Amino acid sequence: NAGVTQTPKFQVLKTGQSMTLQCAQDMNHNSMYWYRQDPGMGLRLIYYSASEGTTDKGEVPNGYNVSRLNKREFSLRLESAAPSQTSVYFCASTSGTYNEQFFGPGTRLTVL
Amino acid sequence: QKEVEQNSGPLSVPEGAIASLNCTYSDRGSQSFFWYRQYSGKSPELIMFIYSNGDKEDGRFTAQLNKASQYVSLLIRDSQPSDSATYLCALLGAALIFGKGTTLSVSS
Repeated sequence: NAGVTQTPKFQVLKTGQSMTLQCAQDMNHNSMYWYRQDPGMGLRLIYYSASEGTTDKGEVPNGYNVSRLNKREFSLRLESAAPSQTSVYFCASTSGTYNEQFFGPGTRLTVL
Repeated sequence: QKEVEQNSGPLSVPEGAIASLNCTYSDRGSQSFFWYRQYSGKSPELIMFIYSNGDKEDGRFTAQLNKASQYVSLLIRDSQPSDSATYLCALLGAALIFGKGTTLSVSS
């Protein structure tokens, strides 16, 4: 039982490049989330998926797209990376019983 | 807009003391609250959740909720250097809404 996994762990991009961050969970959770964490800003929600086939915008969705590929996988895409997207990105999933949220290890992204 | 406020700290306590971490929230209708611990360079890990007014204890940790005062706290008894981390308070909306965290430093 790996919990929530994320790839890659680290990534450096140049401005304008695109990339997809991958997230998968093996806990059979319905809901999945993408957050970014910046110094002094805390964790901010980018997008979430309450169930397979649905996605919704969070607090800071601009510049990102998501795909809920199936119940296990939820990917985050940066179409044209900008330096303002330099951050640590966390994926999370939620159990249905008490809405406990479990986080992946994070992806550290630098955009030059 | 639901908001969660935490003192950023750092909160410094000696080993063996009680650490008290506090959180206030803006939405009186909020029902569910969570405390996470985050070590530097790591992801947040869930410590406790609390739904009902009063205290909830789990080992050295006690969460306290006062809905009338819109206040949530986390007490850590017998603090250890390994408790040194950032503690995040969160409430449940469409997703979790996090405060910016309080940094705790426990000195030996």
